[in-house]
Amino acid sequence: NAGVMQNPRHLVRRRGQEARLRCSPMKGHSHVYWYRQLPEEGLKFMVYLQKENIIDESGMPKERFSAEFPKEGPSILRIQQVVRGDSAAYFCASSPGVGSYEQYFGPGTRLTVT
Amino acid sequence: EDKVVQSPLSLVVHEGDTVTLNCSYEVTNFRSLLWYKQEKKAPTFLFMLTSSGIEKKSGRLSSILDKKELFSILNITATQTGDSAVYLCAITGANNLFFGTGTRLTVIP
Repeated sequence: NAGVMQNPRHLVRRRGQEARLRCSPMKGHSHVYWYRQLPEEGLKFMVYLQKENIIDESGMPKERFSAEFPKEGPSILRIQQVVRGDSAAYFCASSPGVGSYEQYFGPGTRLTVT
Repeated sequence: EDKVVQSPLSLVVHEGDTVTLNCSYEVTNFRSLLWYKQEKKAPTFLFMLTSSGIEKKSGRLSSILDKKELFSILNITATQTGDSAVYLCAITGANNLFFGTGTRLTVIP
């Protein structure tokens, strides 16, 4: 039973380029969450999605960031025109439901903006 | 605003010691509190606590929740070098987990 999968594991982008991060939830999980972890900081919630729906994007920066979870395929976090401050580890988590369900995390994508 | 405070921020112990990690919280609508272990990769789920006073145990790790005083503790007995990690406490918000900044535990051989 595969866990949460994320790719790429490491991504280097120059300032102004686009970054696309992918997440496949655990089998049977239809709820996906994205978190960002800046160096020496805790995990911060960005967005919560179900298939074809963004449920809560209260943690997403208003500009340059977007997320989707299409009917087929992985969830994608997209960052346009990256800046140095976007360098962080981006973790995806999934759960079988919302509320009192544990979330299981993927290995993360470490984004470095040069 | 929801708040999770973990203490201590970091801790260095010798193998075989017992440690207690603390997590206090403020939340509008409490549903659950979770503990995760994070080494240099994904946070690994340890425990989910929803009821006061009921200890959850897994090997040398145990945790308990006090909903009256709004805190939880994570105990690790007979620590090993493999326990070295950042331990994260989180509370369940409406649609997400709200994390503390973690306690960095280092176990010296």
